[in-house]
This record gives sequence, structure tokens and C-alpha cells, in this order.
Amino acid sequence: SAVISQKPSRDICQRGTSLTIQCQVDSQVTMMFWYRQQPGQSLTLIATANQGSEATYESGFVIDKFPISRPNLTFSTLTVSNMSPEDSSIYLCSVVLADVRNINYEQYFGPGTRLTVT
Amino acid sequence: GENVGLHLPTLSVQEGDNSIINCAYSNSASDYFIWYKQESGKGPQFIIDIRSNMDKRQGQRVTVLLNKTVKHLSLQIAATQPGDSAVYFCAENIRAAGNKLTFGGGTRVLVKP
Repeated sequence: SAVISQKPSRDICQRGTSLTIQCQVDSQVTMMFWYRQQPGQSLTLIATANQGSEATYESGFVIDKFPISRPNLTFSTLTVSNMSPEDSSIYLCSVVLADVRNINYEQYFGPGTRLTVT
Repeated sequence: GENVGLHLPTLSVQEGDNSIINCAYSNSASDYFIWYKQESGKGPQFIIDIRSNMDKRQGQRVTVLLNKTVKHLSLQIAATQPGDSAVYFCAENIRAAGNKLTFGGGTRVLVKP
């Protein structure tokens, strides 16, 4: 497995401001993702964080709202821009680890960042 | 397709009994499935996975069954313990499409002492 840490673990922010969430992995990984989990709901993929190129966003998510950086194979950031109360969610970083035979691709999640926008 | 659950179904289980959590997945092209456990205040924790060329896989106290005919996945937990109380999510994946997971709505498991 991988050890994934996120900063901050939680924050309370005012509407109209932006928050950058950091994700650090203890080993080099090929694939990193950002998910959102709204209160009481399941997880929704925001984007794939690509190392050295622009992130790939899922339908309903745009770069201007959720800019993502991935400068290397162990680190990524997600920014939630111009926040509104509807952005209150848990934001989760995820990585894929392939086993040595490249048969299974286990995906692991960080602890999440709990964001409340007032 | 996506499946975001607005209401989490709850499974109440007596400690020591077996639990069965069910999941209907949406995409017949999905070829890899994972079960996650999420405890309050934590991120999802990988439990067990199964590839589409298998119909059963066993781990420690857990078994995943896959029925591709009806697009159904289940997680069986043997001798359920209080520490098993959590929300359980199934996730489906098409690895050729980039390992992006689509999550089911989740089931809350409450273990009664």
C-alpha cells in the first residue's frame, strides 16, 4: 500500500476565497486523482492529475474552478477557487499502485480534507 | 455511469453474524471492481478487489462475489465485529479507460453488540 497525506485536514473558509489542498505520497506513483465527497454521499471523480501536463477533468468540473498541479510523481495540489457554500465537501486524493506483475491496480485514498464554506 | 447515493441504506448486524453487502454496478464494460470501507472522519480504505475474469475472491474474513450476468457485486464479511461498523462502497473501473473509479452509493453497516 501507499501512505498518503493531505494538508490541511480540515478548514473553514469564507465564500469567495480559495483554498489549496496538498497531497503527498510516500512513493512514486503513475496515477493520481482528486475526488469529492459531498456530505452523506458517495465519491465523485473531479480529475486525473497528470504529471507534467494539464489535468484531465470529468464532466461538470472545470480547470478555472479546480486548478490542479502535479509537479512530480509524489505530489499534487487541488485548489478550490472562488468558494461558495456548495463547495463544502470532503476532498480526497487517490493514487493507483500496480502490483509487481502489473495485473492488479489497487487504488488508495488519502484521509481527506474537510472543507466548510460559510 | 455515475451513481451518487442520496440516502445510505443501513445494514444492522449482530456481532458474530455474517454480513452481506450488495452492489449493482452500471457499466457492462467494467473489468475491475473494488470494495472500500470508510470509517467516520477517514478516507476510504481498500478492502478487496476482483477482476472481471473471476467470480469469487477471498481475503481475510471477506469474500467478494461477482455476477457479470446481472452486473452484481457482493461483499461478505464473516463473523462481523464492532470494528466493521462503517460505510462500505463498491467501485467499478475500466482499466483501459484510465483506472478511473465510479463509486456506488454506499451501505452503512452497524454492528450490534
